[in-house]
Amino acid sequence: EPEVTQTPSHQVTQMGQEVILRCVPISNHLYFYWYRQILGQKVEFLVSFYNNEISEKSEIFDDQFSVERPDGSNFTLKIRSTKLEDSAMYFCASSRTPTTANEKLFFGSGTQLSVL
Amino acid sequence: KQEVTQIPAALSVPEGENLVLNCSFTDSAIYNLQWFRQDPGKGLTSLLLIQSSQREQTSGRLNASLDKSSGRSTLYIAASQPGDSATYLCAVSSISNFGNEKLTFGTGTRLTIIP
Repeated sequence: EPEVTQTPSHQVTQMGQEVILRCVPISNHLYFYWYRQILGQKVEFLVSFYNNEISEKSEIFDDQFSVERPDGSNFTLKIRSTKLEDSAMYFCASSRTPTTANEKLFFGSGTQLSVL
Repeated sequence: KQEVTQIPAALSVPEGENLVLNCSFTDSAIYNLQWFRQDPGKGLTSLLLIQSSQREQTSGRLNASLDKSSGRSTLYIAASQPGDSATYLCAVSSISNFGNEKLTFGTGTRLTIIP
């Protein structure tokens, strides 16, 4: 079965530093998402992306966050100046269609971000 | 605002038993409901997806039901095995005004099957 690939699996950074989390969605997928899960809490929606632009974002996704599809295969999440509360598991997801009416959403295995 | 609750938070059962995991949601205007499995340090694996017009879905030993009007879903696991040990997440989806599907997750049930 095709997979969404995320790198790195673990990222440790100092508070205030910039981090870039990378994702390679499934090759024929068009809709891309980032979700995150703070330890012990629910998985939360961050942002959806289609046709090289953000289609929707949550209140969590403030000006410190940005997403990009730089080269047609990678999909990145950048946190400009990390805070302690950004420590979480970040999941990338992709799908071929805008909804799961006919096809499911595929999630990557996540990047565990630790901000010290 | 949609809220998804899963009870119990943790469950331990002996191998071979049948079990039921529960999920409830506050807003019945959902697009669909999914059950995911999450292993420690791993991603989310979609197990079953129930469209809002459906009542249940089955895959192998798993059966998920949906009662949209009462805001409830159950995941039934038959003849449990140690390999079923994982956290099970329920997620409901809705379509935003922008036409995007967005998932709202519950906190999960951590299942342990005792050999």
